Amino acid sequence: DAMVIQNPRYQVTQFGKPVTLSCSQTLNHNVMYWYQQKSSQAPKLLFHYYDKDFNNEADTPDNFQSRRPNTSFCFLDIRSPGLGDAAMYLCATRSGRHYNEQFFGPGTRLTVL
Amino acid sequence: GQNIDQPTEMTATEGAIVQINCTYQTSGFNGLFWYQQHAGEAPTFLSYNVLDGLEEKGRFSSFLSRSKGYSYLLLKELQMKDSASYLCAVRENSGNTPLVFGKGTRLSVIA
Repeated sequence: DAMVIQNPRYQVTQFGKPVTLSCSQTLNHNVMYWYQQKSSQAPKLLFHYYDKDFNNEADTPDNFQSRRPNTSFCFLDIRSPGLGDAAMYLCATRSGRHYNEQFFGPGTRLTVL
Repeated sequence: GQNIDQPTEMTATEGAIVQINCTYQTSGFNGLFWYQQHAGEAPTFLSYNVLDGLEEKGRFSSFLSRSKGYSYLLLKELQMKDSASYLCAVRENSGNTPLVFGKGTRLSVIA
C-alpha cells in the first residue's frame, strides 16, 4: 500500500562524504519534490520536477543535486555534506492533473558526523 | 515576498476544542492546506480550502477568508494522539507551483 517510499529511513554519513537519498512512488505522479526540514522549522523546498523538467530553488546550495531517471524514482545527492545539512529530507509527489494534496514519503533523517 | 504565520506552540485539554490560526501574505493564492506532522514523521494531509468558508471533515474543520489572508484549523473532541505539529501551507499559483509552508504549530494535548 506504500505510495511514496524513501530509503533509507535513517542515514548516517561523515563530514564531506557523498551521500544519496532515494525516493520512489507508485502513484505515477508527474510532480516530485524534495524538501529539507530541520527541527521545529517549516519544510524548505530544495527542488522539484514536473516530469523531467527540473526546477531548482534559488537558495538551494550547489552541494545538493537531484536526478530523476524515470517517473517512479527520484534521488537527492549531497556531494559534500556539512554538519548543517543534518536534517529530515522529505520527498513528496503530486499529480499534475490534481490540484490538491501533495503526498509525502516518510522521510530520511540524515545525521552528519 | 512570502509570509505565513502561525503560533509556535499551543496546549489544550483532552476532549476540548482548539483553534489554530494561520495568516498569510503571498504574491498569489491558489489554495491553502493544513497538514499534521507527528514528531519524526512526514506531514499528512488534513484539509484544503480554496474558496471562503468552512470545510468540515470529521473532528477537523478548516476555515478560509481570502480577503483577510486568514485560515484556521479547528480540532474538536481532542485526543492524546492529536498531539503533533500542524502546518499551514499556501499554493501561490496554479499549475505545479510548490507549497509554501509555515513553521508549524506544535499542539500538546494534556489529560
